[in-house]
Order: sequence, then C-alpha cells, then structure tokens
Amino acid sequence: GDSVTQMEGPVTLSEEAFLTINCTYTATGYPSLFWYVQYPGEGLQLLLKATKADDKGSNKGFEATYRKETTSFHLEKGSVQVSDSAVYFCALRGAGGSYIPTFGRGTSLIVHP
Amino acid sequence: DAGVIQSPRHEVTEMGQEVTLRCKPISGHDYLFWYRQTMMRGLELLIYFNNNVPIDDSGMPEDRFSAKMPNASFSTLKIQPSEPRDSAVYFCASTLSGGPQFFGPGTRLTVL
Repeated sequence: GDSVTQMEGPVTLSEEAFLTINCTYTATGYPSLFWYVQYPGEGLQLLLKATKADDKGSNKGFEATYRKETTSFHLEKGSVQVSDSAVYFCALRGAGGSYIPTFGRGTSLIVHP
Repeated sequence: DAGVIQSPRHEVTEMGQEVTLRCKPISGHDYLFWYRQTMMRGLELLIYFNNNVPIDDSGMPEDRFSAKMPNASFSTLKIQPSEPRDSAVYFCASTLSGGPQFFGPGTRLTVL
C-alpha cells in the first residue's frame, strides 16, 4: 500500500538557517503530494502541493519539488524564522481516484532566535 | 467561510463516561474525516464519510467508538464508555473531491 516516510525530528535550527525536511514515498502511479503544517494547539493546514512529476510547490518561502525518479518531495526554506516552529507533515493522495491521503509521522521544527 | 468547526475544544471526563465530539465541515465539501492524534501513534484515520455515508471505519479502534453524519453539515464521534487510553486530540477534516483536506482546530480529550 501507499506509505510516506519522513525524517525523524526534532530539527533544531537557528533563525535564518537553511531548512530541509526529507520526505520519500511509496505509491503506484503518480500520486499528488502535499506538505501540511501544524502550529501548536491547531489543526493541520495545507502548506503546499504538487500534482505531477517535476512540479514545484511553494508558499510562504517554503518549496518542494516532486521527484518521481527518487520518489521524494523534500521541503526546503532558505531562511527560517522563529514563527516557522511547528510540526510538518508530508502526505500523498493516490492516483487511483481515492481521496484518502496517507500522512507521514510528522517532523517537529524548532527555530531559536 | 469559517472553516471546519469542532466542539468542544477541550473535554475532561472520567473513565466510563460517554463523550460526544462534534464537527461542522466546510459547506459544499463532500468528504468528512475523523482523525486521532497522539504522541505514540501520530495521526490516525478513524473513519471517513462521502456524501454523509460512512465509507471506511476500519480505523475505529473498537466498538466503543461510533460516528454518525446525519446531514451534510454535521457529524459526531462518540466514545462510550470512555477509557484513559482514549486521551488524545481528535480532528475533523473535510475536503471537496480531488482537493486538499481542511482540518478543524481539534478537540483535546482527557479521560481520567
């Protein structure tokens, strides 16, 4: 079945550092890929998405590129802020018409001033 | 739109009591999902509905859990009787076919 693997957290960075959170997936066909962010005390919210190979999703300075050849969708940001501290979830939705996403375990990001 | 609305935001109850969690999805969305989030297990899908019909409840942990969606704008998740191991944050999410999910703020349940 479909699966998503994220790097273990927490990831701890200083403000303005470069961020990468790794995500790889297993799925048949061409799934849609998503990153969600969960701030403390809140529900998950969509950060960005990509629906086909080589697509780049971007939002709020975050980027992720759909890499079919490596089955990856790594999240990057060039300069993190304290306000980016949150838990980040990678997710996929299968290509077979199912609208049920598969989520990774989440990666906690802590940014220090 | 106000987004997905959940109530209550916090619930503290004693073991053996009945607990009812409520959700109002985004108007026009045709899928509704109930999730449970804990540190140990992460985010778990409990059940989902399509056009108010339960499609897959294989994630419901046991018979103490039940969910209903009597109309397109309301769903409940009930635990009876509740146990301490049910303590978690419960999320409701909705989506329009083919789109991303929109999550509510969650209900933090503590069973003493």
